[in-house]
Amino acid sequence: EVQLVESGGSLVQAGGSLRLSCAASGFSFGSYWMSWVRQAPGKGLEWVANIKPDGSEKYYVDSVKGRFTISRDNAKNSLYLQMNSLRAEDTAVYYCAKDYFDNWGQGTLVTVSS
Amino acid sequence: QSVLTQPPSASGTPGQRVTISCSGSSSNLGNNYVYWYQQHPGTAPKLLVYRNYQRPSGVPDRFSGSKSGTSASLAISGLRSEDEADYYCLAWDDSLSGWVFGGGTKLTVL
Repeated sequence: EVQLVESGGSLVQAGGSLRLSCAASGFSFGSYWMSWVRQAPGKGLEWVANIKPDGSEKYYVDSVKGRFTISRDNAKNSLYLQMNSLRAEDTAVYYCAKDYFDNWGQGTLVTVSS
Repeated sequence: QSVLTQPPSASGTPGQRVTISCSGSSSNLGNNYVYWYQQHPGTAPKLLVYRNYQRPSGVPDRFSGSKSGTSASLAISGLRSEDEADYYCLAWDDSLSGWVFGGGTKLTVL
């Protein structure tokens, strides 16, 4: 059974940093693209970033370019999102998702206070 | 303003058939697959349809997807109370080099 478990969300001040983690199990992690998707309170889904299986390609939504960095450790079956220069508008539940978003974690809440 | 356009709301009575539309452009729906997700309040999204019309195992055949040109739609037949949820379409956008979601459609079962 595929399992994705996010962690690392918390309350942080604007301008601060946070690192999210996603622990994967139940599938060959190193063979799949992985993504982060966020959902602001009461709003829709927004794709944030994704990374190729070997980590050689990464893509980001414009609003986080230069501030967020996606990475992975295939030996640890883990996906990460380093978030710097956080803004109030980054407040959201952050989900990690596999491949074409066929499996999702339960999400972790990031709250940025201004 | 989402790149993929969905109606904000839809409704139907139990047993009815409802369709949700998703409109895009040549750089997304016109050139790439569409995916559909269902999300109940407080839970993670669930994949309903992938690669335009294919259903993952476990998804009832009441849910069906289609795509034509730069538009796609999700049809739900035999509407049930548990279908009340938010529905999102998704596609890769070649111009943006990123995934784009529709704004979401809130389905109400009357």
